Amino acid sequence: AQSVTQPDIHITVSEGASLELRCNYSYGATPYLFWYVQSPGQGLQLLLKYFSGDTLVQGIKGFEAEFKRSQSSFNLRKPSVHWSDAAEYFCAVGVGSYIPTFGRGTSLIVHP
Amino acid sequence: DTEVTQTPKHLVMGMTNKKSLKCEQHMGHRAMYWYKQKAKKPPELMFVYSYEKLSINESVPSRFSPECPNSSLLNLHLHALQPEDSALYLCASSHGDRTRGNTIYFGEGSWLTVV
Repeated sequence: AQSVTQPDIHITVSEGASLELRCNYSYGATPYLFWYVQSPGQGLQLLLKYFSGDTLVQGIKGFEAEFKRSQSSFNLRKPSVHWSDAAEYFCAVGVGSYIPTFGRGTSLIVHP
Repeated sequence: DTEVTQTPKHLVMGMTNKKSLKCEQHMGHRAMYWYKQKAKKPPELMFVYSYEKLSINESVPSRFSPECPNSSLLNLHLHALQPEDSALYLCASSHGDRTRGNTIYFGEGSWLTVV
């Protein structure tokens, strides 16, 4: 079965600084990879997804993620963080039509 | 904006009450889901409907009863809940198409408090 690890429970950055959230997965084949964001009191919103092709994926809200097969990673990046980016971020891994497995989440704190 | 709509957004119910959570999607998706989420935790899968048939029940207590009246609607009937059932309940949907990967789209959730 696939598994996904988000090693950082909390990440604190200053507004305007760059951001990288880590996600590692465990699966023999190339899985489908997702990043979701959950703002306080809201549902999960899909930021971006990787199925195949270009390993650098662009998403909404200025986010991007890069799939690195050799490292089994799918890290989320943003060049300049805004205060409104403070939220919980979930990485998810899926295989075929199976239901994606979610990581435990990383809480992003943004200092002014 | 989400295309999965959930009502009500907030619900407070006593342990002897019967209530329902409702979900609707108009994306033509054939799979619909109920998840339960506690604070600062990932969503936990409860039920999956595929083509209007219950395909997965993750050993959820019988006080939670799902219903899928048609391909666009999903209900979660609640009865005799416990305070520990207080959580955010998320409805979601996906294409259910093996060739397209299984991208799940979530609603905004229903906040349930059991008193």
